[in-house]
Amino acid sequence: GAGVSQSPSNKVTEKGKDVELRCDPISGHTALYWYRQSLGQGLEFLIYFQGNSAPDKSGLPSDRFSAERTGGSVSTLTIQRTQQEDSAVYLCASSPDKNYGYTFGSGTRLTVV
Amino acid sequence: ELKVEQNPLFLSMQEGKNYTIYCNYSTTSDRLYWYRQDPGKSLESLFVLLSNGAVKQEGRLMASLDTKARLSTLHITAAVHDLSATYFCAVQSRGGSNYKLTFGKGTLLTVNP
Repeated sequence: GAGVSQSPSNKVTEKGKDVELRCDPISGHTALYWYRQSLGQGLEFLIYFQGNSAPDKSGLPSDRFSAERTGGSVSTLTIQRTQQEDSAVYLCASSPDKNYGYTFGSGTRLTVV
Repeated sequence: ELKVEQNPLFLSMQEGKNYTIYCNYSTTSDRLYWYRQDPGKSLESLFVLLSNGAVKQEGRLMASLDTKARLSTLHITAAVHDLSATYFCAVQSRGGSNYKLTFGKGTLLTVNP
C-alpha cells in the first residue's frame, strides 16, 4: 500500500481482556518495528522484525506481550490480560531495510478501563 | 545504552521569532532523524542527517549535526502558526543494534499569533 496501515485506530478494552493490534507495512519493506508512545515517556522500542523473524524482542515489557509477522508482511501485536498501564498509542513503522529511516503508521490508541 | 535528550520539552513562541531545539545523545552515532507529529497523527519524517557537519533545510526549518559534540539542532526561522507540533529527534544505534532508533521525549512547539 501507499503507507503503513494500522488497525484499529482506537481500542477500548476491559482490564484482563486480550487485544490484537494489526500493522500492514509498505509493500516491499523488509524491516518492521513496533513502538509504544505513552504520555511523558516518549517512544519506547518494543520489537524489530526482519522478514518474518524477530531478532530483537528486547523491548517487550512482559511475557503478556507477543508479536508475529507472516509472509514478510502483516504483523500482529498481541497483549494478553491487559492492564491499565498498557494504555498507550502503539505505533508500527517499516523501512526498506535496517539502514533506512522509518515510515510510521498512524497508530492504535489503546485504552484499558 | 544510548540516551537521547531533547530540550526544551515545551516551547511557546510568537510568530516571526526564531528559536532552536537541541538534541544531545550519549554514544557515537552518525545517523540522526528529525520527525514532526501533529496531535492525533503519526510521525512524519522531516530530515535525515548522515554525517558530521550535515545541514538540511526545508522552508523555515534547518537541521544540523555535529557528531563530535553528539549534538543536533533544529532551527526555526520566522515561525508561523502552521509549525505548531511536537518535534522528535531520533538517533540510530551503531553496531549490532543499528536497526534501532532511540527517540528523544519530543519538543511541543506552540506558535502564537
